[in-house]
Amino acid sequence: EVQLVESGGGLVQPGGSLRLSCAASGFTLSSYEMNWVRQAPGKGLEWVSYISNGDSGISYADSVKGRFTISRDNAKNSLYLQMDSLRAEDTAVYYCVKAAGTAADNWGQGTLVTVSS
Amino acid sequence: QSALTQPASVSGSPGQSITISCTGTSSDFADFHYVSWYQQHPGKAPQLLIYDVRYRPSGVSHRFSGSKSDNTASLTISGLQAEDEAHYYCSSYTSTSLVFGGGTKLTVL
Repeated sequence: EVQLVESGGGLVQPGGSLRLSCAASGFTLSSYEMNWVRQAPGKGLEWVSYISNGDSGISYADSVKGRFTISRDNAKNSLYLQMDSLRAEDTAVYYCVKAAGTAADNWGQGTLVTVSS
Repeated sequence: QSALTQPASVSGSPGQSITISCTGTSSDFADFHYVSWYQQHPGKAPQLLIYDVRYRPSGVSHRFSGSKSDNTASLTISGLQAEDEAHYYCSSYTSTSLVFGGGTKLTVL
Protein backbone atom coordinates (compact mmCIF):
# COMPACT_ATOMS: atom_id res chain seq x y z
CA GLU A 1 0.00 0.00 0.00
CA VAL A 2 1.31 3.44 -0.95
CA GLN A 3 1.80 5.76 2.02
CA LEU A 4 3.11 9.31 2.21
CA VAL A 5 3.75 10.79 5.64
CA GLU A 6 4.70 14.45 5.93
CA SER A 7 6.45 16.01 8.90
CA GLY A 8 8.31 19.17 9.81
CA GLY A 9 5.49 21.67 9.88
CA GLY A 10 4.99 24.11 12.72
CA LEU A 11 4.97 27.73 13.75
CA VAL A 12 7.71 29.94 12.35
CA GLN A 13 8.28 33.69 12.32
CA PRO A 14 8.22 35.68 9.09
CA GLY A 15 11.60 35.44 7.42
CA GLY A 16 12.32 32.10 9.03
CA SER A 17 12.93 28.67 7.57
CA LEU A 18 11.43 25.20 7.78
CA ARG A 19 12.24 21.90 6.14
CA LEU A 20 9.35 19.60 5.35
CA SER A 21 9.92 15.88 4.94
CA CYS A 22 7.78 13.24 3.27
CA ALA A 23 8.49 9.60 4.03
CA ALA A 24 7.27 7.31 1.28
CA SER A 25 6.47 3.62 1.60
CA GLY A 26 4.90 1.01 -0.63
CA PHE A 27 6.71 2.25 -3.72
CA THR A 28 10.15 3.39 -4.88
CA LEU A 29 10.17 7.18 -4.68
CA SER A 30 12.95 7.58 -7.23
CA SER A 31 10.78 6.04 -9.95
CA TYR A 32 8.05 8.64 -9.75
CA GLU A 33 7.48 12.32 -10.30
CA MET A 34 6.60 14.04 -7.04
CA ASN A 35 5.00 17.33 -6.10
CA TRP A 36 4.27 19.54 -3.14
CA VAL A 37 0.80 21.09 -3.09
CA ARG A 38 -0.45 23.47 -0.42
CA GLN A 39 -3.79 24.66 0.85
CA ALA A 40 -4.18 27.86 2.82
CA PRO A 41 -6.84 27.79 5.56
CA GLY A 42 -10.29 27.79 3.95
CA LYS A 43 -8.83 28.11 0.47
CA GLY A 44 -8.27 25.93 -2.56
CA LEU A 45 -5.34 23.82 -3.70
CA GLU A 46 -2.16 25.46 -4.98
CA TRP A 47 0.65 23.58 -6.67
CA VAL A 48 4.03 24.50 -5.16
CA SER A 49 6.82 22.42 -6.66
CA TYR A 50 7.65 19.44 -8.88
CA ILE A 51 10.59 17.06 -9.21
CA SER A 52 10.95 14.55 -12.02
CA ASN A 53 11.72 10.89 -11.48
CA GLY A 54 15.27 11.37 -12.69
CA ASP A 55 15.69 14.61 -10.75
CA SER A 56 16.56 16.30 -14.02
CA GLY A 57 13.42 18.36 -13.96
CA ILE A 58 12.53 20.69 -11.12
CA SER A 59 9.99 23.50 -11.18
CA TYR A 60 8.36 25.93 -8.77
CA ALA A 61 5.31 28.12 -8.62
CA ASP A 62 6.16 31.78 -9.13
CA SER A 63 4.97 32.49 -5.59
CA VAL A 64 7.79 30.41 -4.06
CA LYS A 65 10.53 30.55 -6.70
CA GLY A 66 13.86 31.54 -5.20
CA ARG A 67 12.70 30.77 -1.65
CA PHE A 68 11.75 27.06 -1.70
CA THR A 69 13.89 24.09 -2.75
CA ILE A 70 12.60 20.61 -3.52
CA SER A 71 14.85 17.58 -3.21
CA ARG A 72 14.78 13.87 -2.50
CA ASP A 73 16.92 11.24 -0.82
CA ASN A 74 16.41 8.00 -2.70
CA ALA A 75 18.27 5.97 -0.08
CA LYS A 76 15.76 7.14 2.51
CA ASN A 77 12.83 7.04 0.08
CA SER A 78 12.01 10.57 1.18
CA LEU A 79 11.04 13.88 -0.39
CA TYR A 80 11.87 17.28 1.08
CA LEU A 81 10.87 20.90 0.77
CA GLN A 82 13.27 23.48 2.15
CA MET A 83 11.36 26.69 2.77
CA ASP A 84 13.29 29.90 3.39
CA SER A 85 12.28 33.55 3.77
CA LEU A 86 8.84 32.46 4.83
CA ARG A 87 5.94 34.89 4.60
CA ALA A 88 2.52 35.02 6.21
CA GLU A 89 0.98 34.01 2.88
CA ASP A 90 2.91 30.72 2.99
CA THR A 91 0.68 29.61 5.87
CA ALA A 92 -1.00 26.44 4.66
CA VAL A 93 -1.28 22.69 4.92
CA TYR A 94 1.45 21.23 2.72
CA TYR A 95 0.77 17.95 0.96
CA CYS A 96 3.32 15.56 -0.48
CA VAL A 97 1.84 14.23 -3.71
CA LYS A 98 2.85 11.30 -5.92
CA ALA A 99 2.20 11.68 -9.61
CA ALA A 100 1.21 8.79 -11.87
CA GLY A 101 1.31 9.89 -15.46
CA THR A 102 -0.80 12.99 -15.67
CA ALA A 103 -2.55 13.03 -12.29
CA ALA A 104 -1.82 13.12 -8.57
CA ASP A 105 -2.77 9.63 -7.51
CA ASN A 106 -1.60 9.58 -3.90
CA TRP A 107 -1.58 12.35 -1.29
CA GLY A 108 -0.13 12.47 2.19
CA GLN A 109 -2.22 13.63 5.14
CA GLY A 110 -0.52 17.04 5.09
CA THR A 111 1.52 19.06 7.54
CA LEU A 112 0.51 22.53 8.74
CA VAL A 113 2.91 25.43 8.37
CA THR A 114 2.00 28.63 10.19
CA VAL A 115 4.02 31.77 9.55
CA SER A 116 3.30 34.35 12.20
CA SER A 117 5.03 36.58 14.70
CA GLN B 1 -6.14 33.66 -9.85
CA SER B 2 -6.73 30.11 -11.07
CA ALA B 3 -6.20 29.35 -14.73
CA LEU B 4 -9.12 26.94 -14.44
CA THR B 5 -12.60 28.24 -13.53
CA GLN B 6 -15.13 26.25 -11.52
CA PRO B 7 -18.45 27.29 -10.03
CA ALA B 8 -18.08 28.08 -6.35
CA SER B 9 -20.98 25.84 -5.36
CA VAL B 10 -23.52 23.36 -6.66
CA SER B 11 -26.24 21.43 -4.91
CA GLY B 12 -28.55 18.52 -5.50
CA SER B 13 -30.89 16.15 -3.76
CA PRO B 14 -30.13 12.50 -3.01
CA GLY B 15 -30.55 10.36 -6.10
CA GLN B 16 -30.19 13.26 -8.52
CA SER B 17 -27.30 13.93 -10.89
CA ILE B 18 -25.15 17.05 -10.86
CA THR B 19 -22.42 18.34 -13.14
CA ILE B 20 -19.46 20.50 -12.19
CA SER B 21 -17.74 22.42 -14.97
CA CYS B 22 -14.09 23.39 -15.30
CA THR B 23 -13.13 25.92 -17.95
CA GLY B 24 -9.65 26.73 -19.16
CA THR B 25 -9.24 30.46 -19.12
CA SER B 26 -5.71 30.65 -20.41
CA SER B 27 -4.55 29.81 -23.91
CA ASP B 28 -2.00 27.54 -22.29
CA PHE B 29 -4.78 25.32 -21.07
CA ALA B 30 -7.35 25.82 -23.77
CA ASP B 31 -6.52 22.45 -25.27
CA PHE B 32 -5.93 20.49 -22.12
CA HIS B 33 -6.18 16.72 -22.51
CA TYR B 34 -4.87 15.83 -19.11
CA VAL B 35 -7.68 16.89 -16.82
CA SER B 36 -8.12 15.23 -13.47
CA TRP B 37 -10.67 15.64 -10.70
CA TYR B 38 -10.24 15.38 -6.93
CA GLN B 39 -12.65 15.04 -4.03
CA GLN B 40 -11.83 16.54 -0.66
CA HIS B 41 -13.83 16.05 2.49
CA PRO B 42 -13.33 18.54 5.37
CA GLY B 43 -10.07 17.98 7.18
CA LYS B 44 -8.95 15.27 4.77
CA ALA B 45 -6.47 15.09 1.94
CA PRO B 46 -7.79 15.23 -1.64
CA GLN B 47 -8.41 11.95 -3.43
CA LEU B 48 -8.16 11.31 -7.16
CA LEU B 49 -11.54 10.66 -8.80
CA ILE B 50 -10.89 11.01 -12.53
CA TYR B 51 -7.73 11.24 -14.64
CA ASP B 52 -7.10 11.97 -18.31
CA VAL B 53 -10.57 13.53 -18.61
CA ARG B 54 -12.64 10.37 -18.22
CA TYR B 55 -10.80 7.48 -16.54
CA ARG B 56 -11.54 6.28 -13.01
CA PRO B 57 -8.82 4.83 -10.78
CA SER B 58 -9.53 1.46 -9.27
CA GLY B 59 -11.95 1.76 -6.37
CA VAL B 60 -13.73 4.91 -7.51
CA SER B 61 -17.47 4.54 -7.88
CA HIS B 62 -19.00 4.37 -11.37
CA ARG B 63 -21.30 7.17 -10.24
CA PHE B 64 -18.44 9.56 -11.02
CA SER B 65 -17.77 10.31 -14.67
CA GLY B 66 -15.76 12.87 -16.60
CA SER B 67 -15.96 14.43 -20.02
CA LYS B 68 -14.59 17.34 -22.01
CA SER B 69 -15.84 19.58 -24.79
CA ASP B 70 -13.56 22.19 -26.31
CA ASN B 71 -12.00 24.03 -23.36
CA THR B 72 -14.49 22.90 -20.73
CA ALA B 73 -14.16 19.71 -18.70
CA SER B 74 -17.02 18.34 -16.63
CA LEU B 75 -17.48 16.03 -13.67
CA THR B 76 -20.86 14.34 -13.36
CA ILE B 77 -22.00 12.62 -10.21
CA SER B 78 -25.05 10.45 -10.63
CA GLY B 79 -27.27 9.01 -7.90
CA LEU B 80 -26.15 11.63 -5.39
CA GLN B 81 -25.48 10.36 -1.89
CA ALA B 82 -24.96 12.23 1.36
CA GLU B 83 -21.32 11.11 1.42
CA ASP B 84 -20.70 12.97 -1.86
CA GLU B 85 -20.93 16.29 -0.01
CA ALA B 86 -17.40 17.64 -0.34
CA HIS B 87 -15.21 20.03 -2.29
CA TYR B 88 -14.26 19.07 -5.83
CA TYR B 89 -11.23 20.36 -7.71
CA CYS B 90 -10.29 20.03 -11.35
CA SER B 91 -6.69 20.07 -12.40
CA SER B 92 -4.75 20.31 -15.63
CA TYR B 93 -1.34 18.72 -16.02
CA THR B 94 1.62 20.20 -17.84
CA SER B 95 4.94 18.45 -18.17
CA THR B 96 6.26 20.02 -14.99
CA SER B 97 3.32 21.33 -12.96
CA LEU B 98 -0.28 21.00 -11.97
CA VAL B 99 -2.83 23.79 -12.21
CA PHE B 100 -5.94 23.60 -10.08
CA GLY B 101 -9.34 25.14 -10.38
CA GLY B 102 -10.67 27.18 -7.50
CA GLY B 103 -12.82 24.32 -6.24
CA THR B 104 -16.57 23.66 -6.05
CA LYS B 105 -18.48 22.98 -2.86
CA LEU B 106 -21.13 20.30 -3.42
CA THR B 107 -24.04 20.37 -1.02
CA VAL B 108 -26.39 17.39 -0.88
CA LEU B 109 -29.75 18.78 0.19
